[in-house]
Amino acid sequence: DGGITQSPKYLFRKEGQNVTLSCEQNLNHDAMYWYRQDPGQGLRLIYYSQIVNDFQKGDIAEGYSVSREKKESFPLTVTSAQKNPTAFYLCASSIAGENYEQYFGPGTRLTVT
Amino acid sequence: AQTVTQSQPEMSVQEAETVTLSCTYDTSESNYYLFWYKQPPSRQMILVIRQEAYKQQNATENRFSVNFQKAAKSFSLKISDSQLGDTAMYFCAFMMGATNKLIFGTGTLLAVQP
Repeated sequence: DGGITQSPKYLFRKEGQNVTLSCEQNLNHDAMYWYRQDPGQGLRLIYYSQIVNDFQKGDIAEGYSVSREKKESFPLTVTSAQKNPTAFYLCASSIAGENYEQYFGPGTRLTVT
Repeated sequence: AQTVTQSQPEMSVQEAETVTLSCTYDTSESNYYLFWYKQPPSRQMILVIRQEAYKQQNATENRFSVNFQKAAKSFSLKISDSQLGDTAMYFCAFMMGATNKLIFGTGTLLAVQP
């Protein structure tokens, strides 16, 4: 089955630690995205990548980093510089170009204490 | 900057009835696309329907249809014959042409009552 996997579903970390969220897709999509979802807010774009070895900052990139070494994978690192990292994180992918549907993964709930 | 506004934080509808969710957006662009996504309690985001701004005809997908009013910058979602499985958070989203970045509204939580 084609799709997007995110692991783990729940992640707990201590304040001050970096943590990496995994996102893998087997849809052969060129473009991948990371969103953050907080209660009462819509999804906000953190980073996106339209091709391997290239990525751009979204609206809330501060305190996050990404890499895109393989087409299938787009891991997100939440660094200790992110002031409020507890949130639900969603990864998505699409065919590159305008108007293509973004397919979403099941998400990872990160709790930092 | 583009913005998307959903003014109804929560709505409720009886099973089998019709409900309309509102969405307005602000842009100076002429080439753009609009989407409605559904997020059920599982939190999996699912595309419900999409509309190209250059198309005058309103999009429909089975029980889901939109009322796209370009001049008013309004994009409402109508759900007919509501089913219990329609209970979810619904997000309106905007994509500017020549990009594939989505801008989301804050969502409307829809509860379908038996």
